Amino acid sequence: GQNIDQPTEMTATEGAIVQINCTYQTSGFNGLFWYQQHAGEAPTFLSYNVLDGLEEKGRFSSFLSRSKGYSYLLLKELQMKDSASYLCAVTDSNYQLIWGAGTKLIIKP
Amino acid sequence: GAGVSQSPSNKVTEKGKDVELRCDPISGHTALYWYRQSLGQGLEFLIYFQGNSAPDKSGLPSDRFSAERTGGSVSTLTIQRTQQEDSAVYLCASSLGAGSNSPLHFGNGTRLTVT
Repeated sequence: GQNIDQPTEMTATEGAIVQINCTYQTSGFNGLFWYQQHAGEAPTFLSYNVLDGLEEKGRFSSFLSRSKGYSYLLLKELQMKDSASYLCAVTDSNYQLIWGAGTKLIIKP
Repeated sequence: GAGVSQSPSNKVTEKGKDVELRCDPISGHTALYWYRQSLGQGLEFLIYFQGNSAPDKSGLPSDRFSAERTGGSVSTLTIQRTQQEDSAVYLCASSLGAGSNSPLHFGNGTRLTVT
């Protein structure tokens, strides 16, 4: 079967750095997405990785290792507004999207 | 429009009634998805439309659920004889299409409450 694992919940402190991990087992691989979802709102696109390595976008970075079936989302200089759920999604060989259950990130002052 | 539009934003219905949820995707997006999300849970895939191809209905939970996409644009998700377990937020998303790996753009969802 196809599976994506993420931690259910994480807590971090304002101003700090947090890394949210995602591991996947899918039928093939055609890319990995990270989305942010604030409570009561729709998910919004954060990043996309298809090649190994680190993609940086301001305070957010996403890393991919295809050989390990592993990705992480790194959030720097955390702000209270970063409190949200972070969803990992993988496109398989048929370009079907497989979603993780999401990681709820709680930021404390 | 600039984004994916869903209507209604909220719907309260009595058990046993039928409901229709509407999604207007971003112009030019050939792929359209319906998802369901219960409170505090992840996204549950329901159905996927790609251009003129037959839709992927593998996620529909029962034959009470159906969806159409007319003219490759607007989509309607219909739930017949609603049950309390159908209560959830129904999210629609569109993208440029399969194979492009373009990100999904989500609408704000319809919050369905079955009493």
